[in-house]
Formats: sequence, C-alpha cells, structure tokens
Amino acid sequence: EVQVVESGGGLVQPGGSLRLSCAASGFTFNTYGMGWVRQAPGKGLECVSAISGGSDKIFYADSVKGRFTISRDNSKNTLYLQMNSLRAEDTAVYYCARTGPLYFDNWGQGTLVTVSS
Amino acid sequence: EIVMTQSPATLSVSPGERATLSCRTSQSVSSNFAWYQQKPGQAPRLLIYGAFTRATGIPARFSGSGSGAEFTLTISSLQPEDFAVYYCQQYSNWPRTFGQGTKVEIK
Repeated sequence: EVQVVESGGGLVQPGGSLRLSCAASGFTFNTYGMGWVRQAPGKGLECVSAISGGSDKIFYADSVKGRFTISRDNSKNTLYLQMNSLRAEDTAVYYCARTGPLYFDNWGQGTLVTVSS
Repeated sequence: EIVMTQSPATLSVSPGERATLSCRTSQSVSSNFAWYQQKPGQAPRLLIYGAFTRATGIPARFSGSGSGAEFTLTISSLQPEDFAVYYCQQYSNWPRTFGQGTKVEIK
C-alpha cells in the first residue's frame, strides 16, 4: 500500500525556519516525482514545490522561490522541504504528494505550519 | 500561469440526483487535467486524471469529460459520502494550478 507521512510542522515566528519531512513507503521511491501542496486555512490548494525522482528537475512557486528548498534522500525514501524566512502567509497545512507521473495520485494527511509571533 | 475557473462555487443537490461541475482553463491544457475530492479535515483524493480516466477505486458514478479548455465532472447519483469540495487541476504547464473549488452540499 502506498503511504506518505508528513512530519515537522509546528508554530514558528515570522522570519524563522522549519524543515518538513515526508516518509514514503509501498512504492519504488526513486522512480516517482514528489511534491508539496499547501492549503491555507479555509482556502484552496497551491503547489509550492516539486522534484523529479532523480532530483534533476525542480519546481518552485513564485511565492516561495528563494526561501524554500525541496530535496529528497532516495536511500531513506524521504522527501524534505526546508522553509526559511517564513511569513504569516505561509501558514497552511502542507501536504506531501506523489506525482504519478504528472498529477498527484497519493497524498499524505498533511502537517500544519503556523507562522505567528 | 494557467488560471483555473470552477463553477459554480456551491452546488446544492439532493441525494440520488445528478451533479455537474465545470472547470475552465485560461489556455488549452489538452487532456492534462485532473479532478480531486476533499472532505473536511482530510487530504484531497485523486478522482479523475487524463480528463476522463477514473483513479483506482473510484466508483463508476464519477465521470469526467472535456478537453482543451473546458472540462466537466459528473456525479450521476449523489451518495451521502459524495458531499465534499471538488478541485480541478491542470498538469500541462508549471506551475501546476488548481481551481478554487466547488462545494457540493446537501439540498
């Protein structure tokens, strides 16, 4: 069974940093792209970053470019999102999702990131 | 960026009735198009990809149609578990973009 499980969310002050992790199982991790999709409270979905299976292709939304870094460790079946210079508008549930191969076919339950003083 | 416009914002339907949801894209995405369902407190779930192909485990009452820039999701006979928010998404271009959602509520 395909599973992706996020961790690392929490409360952080504006300007702070946080690293999210996503542990994957049930599929050959290095053959799939992965992405992070966020949902602000009461709002819709935004794809903030994505990475190919071999890390050779990476995408960032303009809203996070220069502040967020996506990476993956295929030996550990884990995806990461390093978030720096966090702002109040980054407050959201962050979902990890497998791209299979282009759309998001399996999602985690999400981890809440709250940016507030 | 491809802009996705869903209509209506809210759809009130009685159980057993048909629901028709629409999504328009600001430029052609061919069939690089998906629908997702999201229930309160849950992650989105893939329903349809390639504009009309049901994802694994999705009941036959869900059907997708369209290509280019106009797409439709039809739920033929609404079941109690189908009341949720539905999002469309294009995966033709980066950034991948979603519609703002259509909430299907009980009439």
